[in-house]
Amino acid sequence: AQKITQTQPGMFVQEKEAVTLDCTYDTSDQSYGLFWYKQPSSGEMIFLIYQGSYDEQNATEGRYSLNFQKARKSANLVISASQLGDSAMYFCAMRESGTASKLTFGTGTRLQVTL
Amino acid sequence: DGGITQSPKYLFRKEGQNVTLSCEQNLNHDAMYWYRQDPGQGLRLIYYSQIVNDFQKGDIAEGYSVSREKKESFPLTVTSAQKNPTAFYLCASSSPGWETINSNQPQHFGDGTRLSIL
Repeated sequence: AQKITQTQPGMFVQEKEAVTLDCTYDTSDQSYGLFWYKQPSSGEMIFLIYQGSYDEQNATEGRYSLNFQKARKSANLVISASQLGDSAMYFCAMRESGTASKLTFGTGTRLQVTL
Repeated sequence: DGGITQSPKYLFRKEGQNVTLSCEQNLNHDAMYWYRQDPGQGLRLIYYSQIVNDFQKGDIAEGYSVSREKKESFPLTVTSAQKNPTAFYLCASSSPGWETINSNQPQHFGDGTRLSIL
């Protein structure tokens, strides 16, 4: 079974609109961490936001927020006021307690921001 | 500026040849990682090292080797045993405390090396 599932291979959003990128995860651990990374066409991985399993509040970082629904095992990334520079691949990743040095990545969602 | 430097940006391998990808960091991070990315897939862990002179296999270590003689450096060798080496390789590092499950410290990545077979 996939540990991290991103069901949207590609998404389009108009500039200045908000967009939600889906991520569901599978773990039996009580303690884990969830990360979102952005990968522009140049290839580097840029850390966006983190959510810990015990965090009671949804994480926010500027225009990025994480809609964390623990019971549903989902950690969706919300980008508000999309900009052309947001066009990139977005990856959800999980760190589990038994493998503290390892990140498990989803297959990613390609976001295209249009005028 | 602190960061992770990967070189070369593009690399070509001939059949039967070993090639080495360089990864250097000046972030004073203890842990370093190598990932492989294929089209349409996420990153998969090849090897990681939490301290100098120690490293562990990740999910897809076959056909690869690493060394960690210095804290700053974690080179990856793609050996001739790796039959499908064409991919994008990313090196990462993480700060002390990363291994604590509730740590919000992310892994920091280099710009990657694209490896192709000639």
